[in-house]
Amino acid sequence: KQEVTQIPAALSVPEGENLVLNCSFTDSAIYNLQWFRQDPGKGLTSLLLIQSSQREQTSGRLNASLDKSSGRSTLYIAASQPGDSATYLCAVSTSGNTPLVFGKGTRLSVIA
Amino acid sequence: GAVVSQHPSWVICKSGTSVKIECRSLDFQATTMFWYRQFPKQSLMLMATSNEGSKATYEQGVEKDKFLINHASLTLSTLTVTSAHPEDSSFYICSARVRLGPSSYNEQFFGPGTRLTVL
Repeated sequence: KQEVTQIPAALSVPEGENLVLNCSFTDSAIYNLQWFRQDPGKGLTSLLLIQSSQREQTSGRLNASLDKSSGRSTLYIAASQPGDSATYLCAVSTSGNTPLVFGKGTRLSVIA
Repeated sequence: GAVVSQHPSWVICKSGTSVKIECRSLDFQATTMFWYRQFPKQSLMLMATSNEGSKATYEQGVEKDKFLINHASLTLSTLTVTSAHPEDSSFYICSARVRLGPSSYNEQFFGPGTRLTVL
């Protein structure tokens, strides 16, 4: 059974810092991996989706990498801003027909 | 990206009543919909998978008689929480997956969630 772990559980950084969020998964035979953002009491916002054949995806200040063989992904946020404060969730699916399995998330606080 | 809506966005009800939550894919046909539940400061836990026109598949520990799922059309799935109790209070999020060809990617699109509070 696929399990997704995110480290750290919480992170507080000053504005302007670059930071890395980590995600690991137990079954390396994944179909795709997705990073989401969730604001308190709100739904999910999809940030980046990486297919199993890809190694990274970039969107603005965000860069997500995927190392399938080691079962890891990282989300890199450059020049963090207070508006980046949210919980970041990593999720993987093991096939095109199976649902996403989520990690517990990293709660990020960017201090102005 | 594709849009998924949920209604209502929040609901408060008395213990023992039933609550229905609707999930719609607005601009695509969703052959598969998923229902997740999220307790405070926890991650999303899959409750069930529903395919249009067939019975839902429930995850271990989820009572199918309590959480009734109907996926009658390619754009609508409903989750009914029957005889709701305070411990059912949670954030319920639906997700829809579009039918694509064998060379396309089956991304999941998420609704905005429904917050259920049972008094």
